[in-house]
Amino acid sequence: AQTVTQSQPEMSVQEAETVTLSCTYDTSESNYYLFWYKQPPSRQMILVIRQEAYKQQNATENRFSVNFQKAAKSFSLKISDSQLGDTAMYFCAFIPGGYQKVTFGTGTKLQVIP
Amino acid sequence: EAQVTQNPRYLITVTGKKLTVTCSQNMNHEYMSWYRQDPGLGLRQIYYSMNVEVTDKGDVPEGYKVSRKEKRNFPLILESPSPNQTSLYFCASSSGQGAWNEAFFGQGTRLTVV
Repeated sequence: AQTVTQSQPEMSVQEAETVTLSCTYDTSESNYYLFWYKQPPSRQMILVIRQEAYKQQNATENRFSVNFQKAAKSFSLKISDSQLGDTAMYFCAFIPGGYQKVTFGTGTKLQVIP
Repeated sequence: EAQVTQNPRYLITVTGKKLTVTCSQNMNHEYMSWYRQDPGLGLRQIYYSMNVEVTDKGDVPEGYKVSRKEKRNFPLILESPSPNQTSLYFCASSSGQGAWNEAFFGQGTRLTVV
């Protein structure tokens, strides 16, 4: 069974600064996908970024980037130039290749301070 | 507009009274899932379906049933709800294995069982 750990229940960052949210996972699978989802107060789940395990290059999406360390089973999310709209709960998620059995972390609540 | 529609958005019910939460997607997605979200626990997968008439258990299936008679619909059934099933529920759909970046979530259903 897979496990996903987010060790930071809450974090805060000043507007325009950079923040990194951590995520570690444990699996015996060799092929898998990792995701970060954002959940603002509206409760809507929004995909932020994804990473395929077979790709060595770290994924980036505008101000969002990941640091994927496969050997260390680490998948952190970096948010640059933080904006007030980034205030949300962030979930790390794991899905093995060929399956739809998704495992989410417990979430990190991010507050962006003006 | 591509979307996943859950109904109802809010529901208060009494212990033991059977209920169904509906989920419908208009994107012709093969894969659909149900999750529950609880504070400090993140999202946990209840059931998932990889196609019509194909369903499988997630991590917390006890007390729930699902069916997938049509591609677009994936209802969640609580035969005899109990207070420990009070939670926020999400339905999600995606287009294919590994293509999780196309996952769409519904707006969520806040269920309270008294």
